[in-house]
Amino acid sequence: QVQLQESGPGLVKPSETLSLTCTVSGGSISNYYWSWIRQPPGKGLEWIGNIYYSGSTNYNPSLKSRATISADTSKNQFSLKLSSVTAADTAVYYCARDNGYSIYGMDVWGQGTTVTVSS
Amino acid sequence: EIVLTQSPGTLSLSPGERATLSCRASQSVSSSSLAWFQQKPGQAPRLLIYGASSRATGIPDRFSGSGSGTDFTLTISRLEPEDFAVYYCQQYDSSPWTFGQGTKVQIK
Repeated sequence: QVQLQESGPGLVKPSETLSLTCTVSGGSISNYYWSWIRQPPGKGLEWIGNIYYSGSTNYNPSLKSRATISADTSKNQFSLKLSSVTAADTAVYYCARDNGYSIYGMDVWGQGTTVTVSS
Repeated sequence: EIVLTQSPGTLSLSPGERATLSCRASQSVSSSSLAWFQQKPGQAPRLLIYGASSRATGIPDRFSGSGSGTDFTLTISRLEPEDFAVYYCQQYDSSPWTFGQGTKVQIK
């Protein structure tokens, strides 16, 4: 079955750019949307944005244009870049398969990766 | 954006009891675009219900979802020990996708 695995630095300095990659195994990224979601310590879930495999993107306006999501079909991966990070961006970051506006929702999730923003 | 408000914040129940969780939307949500997730400490959220009332693969039938418009409900008919967790509703009718703040179901 499809599995997702997040990877990237666990520590990022304030004002720098957070970069994470989600590797999809057991299936192709084609024909799906793919989302990033984050969860600050002890808090709820926040959707960051998604990308269709062909490249079209949607973002949460709350990130004030700091987020960029891209996809690499040749590597079966998609990535998140979040610029100008602050301590408020410290969170567990999850990637998920997103069925877009179809009925099925975000049905497969990665295990999550913890990112701490600190000098 | 659509704001989802879950109630109660915490539900204290005993194994075997029935749990009823509520999710209210700030504007109407298509019934085909409302999901429920379960999250246990240190784990990723797990999809329980999609399309307001359809169980995801492998989800026991003690979990059921219902509702339409602005009011949705997740019901756990008889709580098992492994059901004590935090539950989130989420809408994917209108971007940005949004989540409720969560309901914690704890052992009484």
